[in-house]
Amino acid sequence: EAGVVQSPRYKIIEKKQPVAFWCNPISGHNTLYWYLQNLGQGPELLIRYENEEAVDDSQLPKDRFSAERLKGVDSTLKIQPAELGDSAVYLCASSLTVQETQYFGPGTRLLVL
Amino acid sequence: SQQGEEDPQALSIQEGENATMNCSYKTSINNLQWYRQNSGRGLVHLILIRSNEREKHSGRLRVTLDTSKKSSSLLITASRAADTASYFCATAPYNQGGKLIFGQGTELSVKP
Repeated sequence: EAGVVQSPRYKIIEKKQPVAFWCNPISGHNTLYWYLQNLGQGPELLIRYENEEAVDDSQLPKDRFSAERLKGVDSTLKIQPAELGDSAVYLCASSLTVQETQYFGPGTRLLVL
Repeated sequence: SQQGEEDPQALSIQEGENATMNCSYKTSINNLQWYRQNSGRGLVHLILIRSNEREKHSGRLRVTLDTSKKSSSLLITASRAADTASYFCATAPYNQGGKLIFGQGTELSVKP
């Protein structure tokens, strides 16, 4: 069974440019999460989806970040415009239901210059 | 905000020794989970312990949970060089819909 797939794995952009990350969760997993991980820190939740509904986006900086999960499967996370402080690893995770184990993708490492 | 605090921040041991990592948290939880992360890679789920459980084993891993002290420990027995990684505890606070809050992690180095 395939795990959580994320692309791209690495992205280098200049500040003020837009960037988008894509996530394909494990088949059948209803819950999808986007996390931000800074160097030397644990992941921090940005947004959680149950099917196509964003049920917890309290930590998402809505002035520049947006996310969508059309059809309740794949999801995209967008930053526009990117700032230097956005350099981090963006992790996607999925779980069968909200109470089950979360499985993480390999992450997208973003560098904003 | 990060609820979990892990101790120690870094641990260096010899192959074959046991490694113990501790995690403390602040609020009531539904469960606590431990993850491993190799450098530059995603997180790998190791073990989940529910709030009504006190101890759980998986291979060379032993996790304990003391809800009265709001603390957990992860013991890796007979460590191997391949166990070198960062280990994170993550708590699922009660009534927050499965949200996970991660600690800052313990960086384990196992020397051959």
